[in-house]
Amino acid sequence: NAGVTQTPKFQVLKTGQSMTLQCAQDMNHEYMSWYRQDPGMGLRLIHYSVGAGITDQGEVPNGYNVSRSTTEDFPLRLLSAAPSQTSVYFCASSYTNRGKGEKLFFGSGTQLSVL
Amino acid sequence: SQQGEEDPQALSIQEGENATMNCSYKTSINNLQWYRQNSGRGLVHLILIRSNEREKHSGRLRVTLDTSKKSSSLLITASRAADTASYFCATDAKDYGQNFVFGPGTRLSVLP
Repeated sequence: NAGVTQTPKFQVLKTGQSMTLQCAQDMNHEYMSWYRQDPGMGLRLIHYSVGAGITDQGEVPNGYNVSRSTTEDFPLRLLSAAPSQTSVYFCASSYTNRGKGEKLFFGSGTQLSVL
Repeated sequence: SQQGEEDPQALSIQEGENATMNCSYKTSINNLQWYRQNSGRGLVHLILIRSNEREKHSGRLRVTLDTSKKSSSLLITASRAADTASYFCATDAKDYGQNFVFGPGTRLSVLP
């Protein structure tokens, strides 16, 4: 099993550019999420999805869009990149029924720099 | 403000010693989990403890949970250089839509 696959691993953008971070999982997980990790701040939830066609905002959603057209894929779109979005981004998934002890499976991350 | 906070922020020990990390949280939880992150990698699940449990073991890991104090501890016994990593606690609190909320982590260095 590939688990959770994120692409690209590294990306450099100029301010104002747009891009999409890809995330795919092959475990038939219903729950998928995007986090950003900044030094000293842990992981902060950007957006999440509890199933195909359903998305919702997390703690820091501004400047990001998501969609969930299939169970497997959960892309994160930066509409107009800003230096404040320089961070490491992680996609994570789990089986459904949050609150019942389902563990998260993480991708290997995307290191994004916005100049 | 963050739901979970780990303490200490950084910990350095000798190989063979025990390492203890603490996590405090603010609101009622269903479960608390601990994750490890090696440098430059994604997080890996270590252990889960449910709100009605007080202690749990997995190999060299021991986790305790005190819901009255809203705190948890992770003990790694007989540490090895390979245990060098950052450790995060995560809670799925009802106040946060039952999403996973992570603390800032403890950076553990195990010296050979």
